[in-house]
Amino acid sequence: SQQGEEDPQALSIQEGENATMNCSYKTSINNLQWYRQNSGRGLVHLILIRSNEREKHSGRLRVTLDTSKKSSSLLITASRAADTASYFCATDASQGAQKLVFGQGTRLTINP
Amino acid sequence: DAGITQSPRHKVTETGTPVTLRCHQTENHRYMYWYRQDPGHGLRLIHYSYGVKDTDKGEVSDGYSVSRSKTEDFLLTLESATSSQTSVYFCAGTGSEDTEAFFGQGTRLTVV
Repeated sequence: SQQGEEDPQALSIQEGENATMNCSYKTSINNLQWYRQNSGRGLVHLILIRSNEREKHSGRLRVTLDTSKKSSSLLITASRAADTASYFCATDASQGAQKLVFGQGTRLTINP
Repeated sequence: DAGITQSPRHKVTETGTPVTLRCHQTENHRYMYWYRQDPGHGLRLIHYSYGVKDTDKGEVSDGYSVSRSKTEDFLLTLESATSSQTSVYFCAGTGSEDTEAFFGQGTRLTVV
């Protein structure tokens, strides 16, 4: 079974608004990563947060991690049409070789 | 895609035939992965490699085998293709634990 579960499955907002996506997972992790996938393309890494970190920023992205609740959130501020994509969280809970386990993703649509 | 190339990009094959997908990387990634992506399932790990000739199973490995005879190439073989293996296949690589993964552009495989 998959480790990560994203919520919501789909999100549609107006350009300029903030978008928040959530990810829950089941077991202790080493790190949690967020990826973006444009339609028909490969995945692109956005941000990695380690289990001992609580918050990370990268440009308009803010990721939080709550290990006690086994959850993470991705906030995209001041959304743009180009942010339209699917967003996936991936967790690494392995010992040794990193094995990323992905959730089902959130489909984000930014309306102009 | 940070130097990860998948071939072929598209393939149609008949049920029962063997199929090999190739992943070639130029970044000296130590770890390499094969995922399949299906609607409603996100990405699921098929097999991964943690070094030349070192491979292990992922969550959906039945019906698939892999080989890695050199760092640059990671091959995924469907021994006898079935319609349930119709999917988009992604290869990924990473240099070490606790780091981001880089993805290829994907291979769309249709088994008829």
